[in-house]
Amino acid sequence: KNEVEQSPQNLTAQEEEFITINCSYSVGISALHWLQQHPGGGIVSLFMLSSGKKKHGRLIATINIQEKHSSLHITASHPRDSAVYICAVYGETSGSRLTFGEGTQLTVNP
Amino acid sequence: NAGVMQNPRHLVRRRGQEARLRCSPMKGHSHVYWYRQLPEEGLKFMVYLQKENIIDESGMPKERFSAEFPKEGPSILRIQQVVRGDSAAYFCASSPLQPPGHAAKNIQYFGAGTRLSVL
Repeated sequence: KNEVEQSPQNLTAQEEEFITINCSYSVGISALHWLQQHPGGGIVSLFMLSSGKKKHGRLIATINIQEKHSSLHITASHPRDSAVYICAVYGETSGSRLTFGEGTQLTVNP
Repeated sequence: NAGVMQNPRHLVRRRGQEARLRCSPMKGHSHVYWYRQLPEEGLKFMVYLQKENIIDESGMPKERFSAEFPKEGPSILRIQQVVRGDSAAYFCASSPLQPPGHAAKNIQYFGAGTRLSVL
């Protein structure tokens, strides 16, 4: 079992839909990253959070440390949001190593 | 403010050749991380370096792989005698120096990656 699990693996939505991607982890962490990998392969850091909630534009990330769970929400989704979304954690005992989930492939249709 | 620069973007090597992948961190960043993404798999940590020091190489294969981050110039990931199984996307990320005793982690900024194909 991976230390970081994401669901769903694949998600297809219609434009304007509200989207939620989930991340569960089994180790104690000091922080969690949400990343976006574009179809061309480049990776963009969206958020890093260790508690509560962060918002940037149409993206919202939340984390519940007690439940070892984080969610990434996209409001009013758009075809340009189509990408792979990756959750990654800094384990408490793993220094500056990131451990990654397998990613969620999101496709937003017009 | 230029982001993390990786070159080349695509690299083709024949089995047995050497591959050198370069990473220039963002200006002001002194921490560099290398990650590998095998086809149809997730990202995996390889090595974490600071200037002239390897901090954590627990994700590096024991043989043929090495990394450096010299005082001047980019960080280099070097793969000797490449094999087909080395074909992957290799990503570099950088983060700024953390204040001493600072427990919080810094966000990592990723480069566009180098796609290595071994024929």
